[in-house]
Amino acid sequence: ELKVEQNPLFLSMQEGKNYTIYCNYSTTSDRLYWYRQDPGKSLESLFVLLSNGAVKQEGRLMASLDTKARLSTLHITAAVHDLSATYFCAVDSDYGGSQGNLIFGKGTKLSVKP
Amino acid sequence: GAGVSQSPSNKVTEKGKDVELRCDPISGHTALYWYRQSLGQGLEFLIYFQGNSAPDKSGLPSDRFSAERTGGSVSTLTIQRTQQEDSAVYLCASSLWVNIYGYTFGSGTRLTVV
Repeated sequence: ELKVEQNPLFLSMQEGKNYTIYCNYSTTSDRLYWYRQDPGKSLESLFVLLSNGAVKQEGRLMASLDTKARLSTLHITAAVHDLSATYFCAVDSDYGGSQGNLIFGKGTKLSVKP
Repeated sequence: GAGVSQSPSNKVTEKGKDVELRCDPISGHTALYWYRQSLGQGLEFLIYFQGNSAPDKSGLPSDRFSAERTGGSVSTLTIQRTQQEDSAVYLCASSLWVNIYGYTFGSGTRLTVV
């Protein structure tokens, strides 16, 4: 059974600080996805990582994927209040196939304080 | 349409009643997914439709849950004889190629069973 674990589950940061959210998964996959969810809202796609060593950056967020370690990281640089949200990682359950359902981690609730 | 549309946005129902939740995916997206999000349970996969193939129902929690997708487009999730533990946000997502683009989520239906 594919399991996806995120840590930490709760993260309180000060503005201007850096931090990393970790996403570990239990089975072979080379596709990993990061989503953001604001309170009471739906999920917004942030990054799609499709190969070992993939790195993508958008603003203060950078995501990377190490398929050998079965690990993805979401790095936050110089956090600002607008980044406060819950961040989910997800792994494709159909590795080697063309489509599949995504298995999500429990999410990391990020709170950025002044 | 421009995005994934779900209706109703909120539904309050009495225990034991049946409910129908609707999802209208992005035009041209061949894959459609239903997830359930509840406190403490994260995002739970329910069912997945891909084109004209038989749906993957492996995530449905009981036989009170069913879903259909008509004409490869609109999908309806039906919950019969609702129970209080069915209270959750039901999210629909669609995808053209999940392994490249990931999902696009709808805004969800918040179901409350009283």
